[in-house]
Amino acid sequence: GAVVSQHPSWVICKSGTSVKIECRSLDFQATTMFWYRQFPKQSLMLMATSNEGSKATYEQGVEKDKFLINHASLTLSTLTVTSAHPEDSSFYICSAEQGARYGYTFGSGTRLTVV
Amino acid sequence: GENVEQHPSTLSVQEGDSAVIKCTYSDSASNYFPWYKQELGKRPQLIIDIRSNVGEKKDQRIAVTLNKTAKHFSLHITETQPEDSAVYFCAASKRGNNDMRFGAGTRLTVKP
Repeated sequence: GAVVSQHPSWVICKSGTSVKIECRSLDFQATTMFWYRQFPKQSLMLMATSNEGSKATYEQGVEKDKFLINHASLTLSTLTVTSAHPEDSSFYICSAEQGARYGYTFGSGTRLTVV
Repeated sequence: GENVEQHPSTLSVQEGDSAVIKCTYSDSASNYFPWYKQELGKRPQLIIDIRSNVGEKKDQRIAVTLNKTAKHFSLHITETQPEDSAVYFCAASKRGNNDMRFGAGTRLTVKP
C-alpha cells in the first residue's frame, strides 16, 4: 500500500521563527497532497491542497502568506509556518492519494508547539 | 461546499457489544465515504470506505451502510474489543475532486 512519510514528528520553536514540515510519498507519485490541521480533540480541517508544479489552493480563512506550501516534485510537499505564534500550535497532517484503490494515506503528523 | 455531521461525539460500550456511528452529508454529488480510526497522537488510518454505487460493505467486524437518498452513512462495529477504542472520523468527497471533508469525530471507548 501507499506510504506517506512526514517530518519532523514534533517540533518546538520560538515565536517569530519559521518551521518547515515535509511530506513525502515513498512508493508512489502524488501530483496532489493535502495539508490538514487538527486541534486537540477536534476534527481534521483541510488547510490547503498542494499541486505539483503549480500554486497551492488554500481553504477560506487560511493565510497563504503565513502557511507557505511548496510542491517541488511528485514525491515531496512542504508546509512552512512563517512567523509562528503560540496560536499556531497544533497537529499538522499531510495526506496523499495513490489511486482510487488505496484511498487517502496520511502522514504521521507533526506536533508543532510555539513558545 | 460539503458539510459532514457526525454523531455521537462520544460513545461508550461494553466489550462484545456493537457500536454504531452515524454521519450525514449535504452535497448530493459526493460519491466516496471513507471511515478513519485515529489513536491518540497518531495518523488517521483508513478502516473501510464505500462508494455511492454500493449500499453496504463489510470487512470482518466492521461494516458501513450508505443511504444516498437520505444522504447518511453509518459505521457498524460488532463484537467490540478494547483495542477498538479510538476516535473515528467519517468523511465525504467527490472522487476526482480532491475535496474531502471530515466529520467532527466520535470518541469510542470499549470497556473490558
